[in-house]
Amino acid sequence: DADVTQTPRNRITKTGKRIMLECSQTKGHDRMYWYRQDPGLGLRLIYYSFDVKDINKGEISDGYSVSRQAQAKFSLSLESAIPNQTALYFCATSEGADYQPQHFGDGTRLSIL
Amino acid sequence: DQQVKQNSPSLSVQEGRISILNCDYTNSMFDYFLWYKKYPAEGPTFLISISSIKDKNEDGRFTVFLNKSAKHLSLHIVPSQPGDSAVYFCAASARGTYKYIFGTGTRLKVLA
Repeated sequence: DADVTQTPRNRITKTGKRIMLECSQTKGHDRMYWYRQDPGLGLRLIYYSFDVKDINKGEISDGYSVSRQAQAKFSLSLESAIPNQTALYFCATSEGADYQPQHFGDGTRLSIL
Repeated sequence: DQQVKQNSPSLSVQEGRISILNCDYTNSMFDYFLWYKKYPAEGPTFLISISSIKDKNEDGRFTVFLNKSAKHLSLHIVPSQPGDSAVYFCAASARGTYKYIFGTGTRLKVLA
């Protein structure tokens, strides 16, 4: 089983719809992150959380919200989806110390029509 | 303004030869650097890292070099194998920020 699991893997939806992407992990890591990948732009940080009560905005948080329901679960919501949020979304985790590598899920490909 | 840059979108190398992937950064506060490899339909996987107190780190066929004065790091893969064909991302972090800034990636193709 994957250590970092993202659901769904693929989603097509319409402009204006509310969407939730879910991430769960079995690695026991405190830190969780949401990124989006766009062609030619690499991975950009949307939100990150260092524990259940700690949520922080990343570079591109506008139009997104998150919820850390438990240490192992971190969900990303698009309250009213727009076409330029079409992208590949990754969840990642890391241990709660400096200079720890991140472990990524396999991504959610989201298309907004 | 992109703080971490990978100026070569793609690279092709013959099997058995050396692959050199480059990464430049602008923020002098960055003190930890990582390389990730990404296959299609999978998430990035951690490959190798280097702290700013070192100028080289080696792990099997993979070596990362850091030139702090030039704000440049490179990943060497020797010998290259077809299974190394993937997109490679470099990432950088500054102490206390607990975040990583990623480059745009370089697609490596190793030709058999």
